[in-house]
Amino acid sequence: DIQMTQSPSTLSASVGDRVTITCRASQSVSVWLAWFQQKPGKAPKLLIYKASDLVSGVPSRFSGSGSGTEFTLTITSLQTDDSATYYCQQYDRFPTFGQGTKLEIK
Amino acid sequence: EVQLVESGGGLVQPGGSLRLSCAASGFTFSNYDMHWVRQTAGKGLEWVSVIGANGVTHYGDSVKGRFTVSRENAKNSLFLQMNSLGVGDTAVYFCARVRRDGYKGTDDYWGQGTLVTVSS
Repeated sequence: DIQMTQSPSTLSASVGDRVTITCRASQSVSVWLAWFQQKPGKAPKLLIYKASDLVSGVPSRFSGSGSGTEFTLTITSLQTDDSATYYCQQYDRFPTFGQGTKLEIK
Repeated sequence: EVQLVESGGGLVQPGGSLRLSCAASGFTFSNYDMHWVRQTAGKGLEWVSVIGANGVTHYGDSVKGRFTVSRENAKNSLFLQMNSLGVGDTAVYFCARVRRDGYKGTDDYWGQGTLVTVSS
């Protein structure tokens, strides 16, 4: 299996800040990387696919980059509604997920 | 509007069986691959199985030989038959629609999940 490692595990930031979450794959997954947002008691929500393609309707303050083994999710102009846990997922092979990054808004 | 609604979760004893269902609406179900994904507090999100639009199935190593995924396109329904359940199978189980880019696909819509608890 391809192992996905996210950092940091938790993150605290203020409204208006810019935050970056990193996801590393144990082997190359090319651009087959997705980012999900999950709020307590809810299903994960797809934000970004193919490393950098934004899902329709997702605010443009979310962006993704990277290829191969290193990827980033960046959120600019942080809003209170962005408080959630964020997961990366590789789908180059059968899907595997990162362990999650819990984002807290101060 | 795409909707996925899971059902069938509950409390089951170790060694027991359970059948989960996922009712799909708002899209042409027969055209899509579908995933089952589970989530635990300890292990996070774990892909369980896929069934292709063509009916081909694959399973994660932890459930291979115990779980069986199937679909009934006429009823827009997805199923997961879970046998020989152990405490490690305790999780919230989600069904998810697969969005394809050629041969690669990720999960663009998810159900709300159904809780399976394996305990004596």
